[in-house]
Amino acid sequence: DAGVIQSPRHEVTEMGQEVTLRCKPISGHDYLFWYRQTMMRGLELLIYFNNNVPIDDSGMPEDRFSAKMPNASFSTLKIQPSEPRDSAVYFCASIPYGANVLTFGAGSRLTVL
Amino acid sequence: DQQVKQNSPSLSVQEGRISILNCDYTNSMFDYFLWYKKYPAEGPTFLISISSIKDKNEDGRFTVFLNKSAKHLSLHIVPSQPGDSAVYFCAMAGNYGQNFVFGPGTRLSVLP
Repeated sequence: DAGVIQSPRHEVTEMGQEVTLRCKPISGHDYLFWYRQTMMRGLELLIYFNNNVPIDDSGMPEDRFSAKMPNASFSTLKIQPSEPRDSAVYFCASIPYGANVLTFGAGSRLTVL
Repeated sequence: DQQVKQNSPSLSVQEGRISILNCDYTNSMFDYFLWYKKYPAEGPTFLISISSIKDKNEDGRFTVFLNKSAKHLSLHIVPSQPGDSAVYFCAMAGNYGQNFVFGPGTRLSVLP
């Protein structure tokens, strides 16, 4: 298995633009998580899905952030409009039901100018 | 309100010596505890874990200790090697491994 695949690896955009980050979880994994890493907060959970259904989105910072999982093999995290304070590394992770170890993707580094 | 704390943002250790990374938590409902290691430009990778029914788990140079009464988790690396230089995150989860909560991380530098 190729692991959790994220794209793009790097994104540089200007304030106000829409940003879409993509994730392909490991096949057969029932849960998908989106995390954001910043210097101040470390790794913070934004949202997670179970069988494509959002379960907990309490970590999503505000309405500018939205996430979808249209099928078991694809998820998106969208920021519209983006702001400089959204600059961070965004990680996607997945795990099968009953397991105890998350597998992370390589991350998408977002810079908003 | 942070449920998981790693009070040392950074730690420097000489090669061959012991590295001790610490983690404190507040939620007594956590059942499973993990350490992840992260190199620059990579995602976090799983290192070692321990369930709440144990107080120690070893894997080669890495040992994790759990003190449930003190709500304290630690990772010992002996002997430390330069390749261990990375950011270490402690993480914990409730039953069935859902809703993982991570600490802010400790950057370990192992000096040759």
